[in-house]
Amino acid sequence: DVKVTQSSRYLVKRTGEKVFLECVQDMDHENMFWYRQDPGLGLRLIYFSYDVKMKEKGDIPEGYSVSREKKERFSLILESASTNQTSMYLCASSFVLAGGHGTDTQYFGPGTRLTVL
Amino acid sequence: SQQGEEDPQALSIQEGENATMNCSYKTSINNLQWYRQNSGRGLVHLILIRSNEREKHSGRLRVTLDTSKKSSSLLITASRAADTASYFCATFLQGGSEKLVFGKGTKLTVNP
Repeated sequence: DVKVTQSSRYLVKRTGEKVFLECVQDMDHENMFWYRQDPGLGLRLIYFSYDVKMKEKGDIPEGYSVSREKKERFSLILESASTNQTSMYLCASSFVLAGGHGTDTQYFGPGTRLTVL
Repeated sequence: SQQGEEDPQALSIQEGENATMNCSYKTSINNLQWYRQNSGRGLVHLILIRSNEREKHSGRLRVTLDTSKKSSSLLITASRAADTASYFCATFLQGGSEKLVFGKGTKLTVNP
């Protein structure tokens, strides 16, 4: 079974702190993704990575950065946490579709519920 | 605006009944996927249907795709209380990048 793990289920941080959210997958997937989920807004893509050291902005990258030094690990960084970044953060990974482009089934981690006070 | 829009936003049924959820989208797709999310948890992939397929089954799940109407439906037959969850459709766009675009979901409640 594919396993995607996230470093914390619940996290409470203070405004201005630097926050690291870690995600690890064990299926040798090329693609990895970070989403945030808020009531009434659904899932919104923050950043994704299609290879080691490669990253692309999603729909809402402001206030976030990412790091992918190893294929299995994708980190989301909040440089200076703010209260409007209180949210559920979901990591996912997938193979690239046959043909070398696109995403197949995405496998999600359990989520990290971040509260910024 | 969202590429995928689920309908209805919320659905409440009795155990044993069938549940139907719909998804409409705007632009041409490569595939469409359905996911389930239990409260406070990550999403779980249910089924993927490619743009050249019209219907797909997996256990009690039946998914249809009508590319001419840009719509899909998810049918859960003989529902159980354990099916209570939110259900999302996600589209992978033709000519797009690696990302899926998710709808806002249908919240299904199955009453015992």
